[in-house]
Amino acid sequence: AQTVTQSQPEMSVQEAETVTLSCTYDTSESDYYLFWYKQPPSRQMILVIRQEAYKQQNATENRFSVNFQKAAKSFSLKISDSQLGDAAMYFCAYRTTNNDMRFGAGTRLTVKP
Amino acid sequence: ETGVTQTPRHLVMGMTNKKSLKCEQHLGHNAMYWYKQSAKKPLELMFVYNFKEQTENNSVPSRFSPECPNSSHLFLHLHTLQPEDSALYLCASSQPGTSETDTQYFGPGTRLTVL
Repeated sequence: AQTVTQSQPEMSVQEAETVTLSCTYDTSESDYYLFWYKQPPSRQMILVIRQEAYKQQNATENRFSVNFQKAAKSFSLKISDSQLGDAAMYFCAYRTTNNDMRFGAGTRLTVKP
Repeated sequence: ETGVTQTPRHLVMGMTNKKSLKCEQHLGHNAMYWYKQSAKKPLELMFVYNFKEQTENNSVPSRFSPECPNSSHLFLHLHTLQPEDSALYLCASSQPGTSETDTQYFGPGTRLTVL
């Protein structure tokens, strides 16, 4: 079964600094998709960034980028120039081509002013 | 943020009650999902509907009964729940097909408390 592990239950970063959230996954599939979702307190879960496993180039969305290491089954999220609005729970997720979706337990990110 | 809506946002019910959660998506998607989010646990996929047909049921107890009358609406009927069913229930939708579009968009969730 596919599993997603986020080893950092909580992380903290100073405003304007950079932070990296870790995610590893376990799968026997060769074709799949990886996601990072953000869930602010009492607000909706929104997609931050996605990565197709067949693409070697790491995805980037403005201040958010990933370090995708397929052989190591690692998919970390880097947030640059952290802002107060980045404070949230961050979930790493994995999806196969048949729509089987698995989430990690989440990392709570605190941004200090 | 209003692409997927859920009602009610909060629900308190007794173990003998019958209630329903509603989800509506305004994105033109054809797949809808129910997830359970408990504290300090990964999101658990409960049900998947593709084009109104249920395609996945992850061993969910029968006290949870989904209904998908059309591609825009999804219900979760609840009856004789247990206190451990208290959680945030999230609905999501996506457009199956190409990898570029099959990203799930979530609703705000219904916070359910079972007394």
